Amino acid sequence: KAGVTQTPRYLIKTRGQQVTLSCSPISGHRSVSWYQQTPGQGLQFLFEYFSETQRNKGNFPGRFSGRQFSNSRSEMNVSTLELGDSALYLCASRGTQVNSPLHFGNGTRLTVT
Amino acid sequence: GQNIDQPTEMTATEGAIVQINCTYQTSGFNGLFWYQQHAGEAPTFLSYNVLDGLEEKGRFSSFLSRSKGYSYLLLKELQMKDSASYLCAVREGGGKLIFGQGTELSVKP
Repeated sequence: KAGVTQTPRYLIKTRGQQVTLSCSPISGHRSVSWYQQTPGQGLQFLFEYFSETQRNKGNFPGRFSGRQFSNSRSEMNVSTLELGDSALYLCASRGTQVNSPLHFGNGTRLTVT
Repeated sequence: GQNIDQPTEMTATEGAIVQINCTYQTSGFNGLFWYQQHAGEAPTFLSYNVLDGLEEKGRFSSFLSRSKGYSYLLLKELQMKDSASYLCAVREGGGKLIFGQGTELSVKP
């Protein structure tokens, strides 16, 4: 079974621009979560989608948004980029049981200059 | 509020045993997970506890006490490849998985 796939792996953007990151979950997984990872803050929860609906949301500003498509693929968008948005963005998918662990992709490394 | 605490760094010797502690205060509890993350790689799942007690998986064991809001990950017969960050995460009542900052473990020869 193929794992979680994230594209692109690396991205360099300028302050004020916007960016879209993509995630394809493990086949059969309908839940997709997004995390931001920085050295100072660790893994911070952004949002979770299930069957095209946002099920949970973290404490990030409205510049961070996401969506999920009918095939469970997900995208997240960050508008009006700030220097502090430089981070590793990780996507993870899981099965439907409560004890199902998250399976992470390799992430997208975003650098904002 | 939600809070998950673990030590920032630990050092241990190859072949030894190390225990990484995690304490948590979260909005509801639906299980505790441990993940391993090597530098530059994605986190990978190690263990899951939802009931009190010890879960053993080869060289790795994880313990949970829900009344104390406490868990630990025990690594036996340490190997150099165990040098990594170990992340404690709690699934809250609403389903989202909240992570601690991670414990950077260095295994020395």
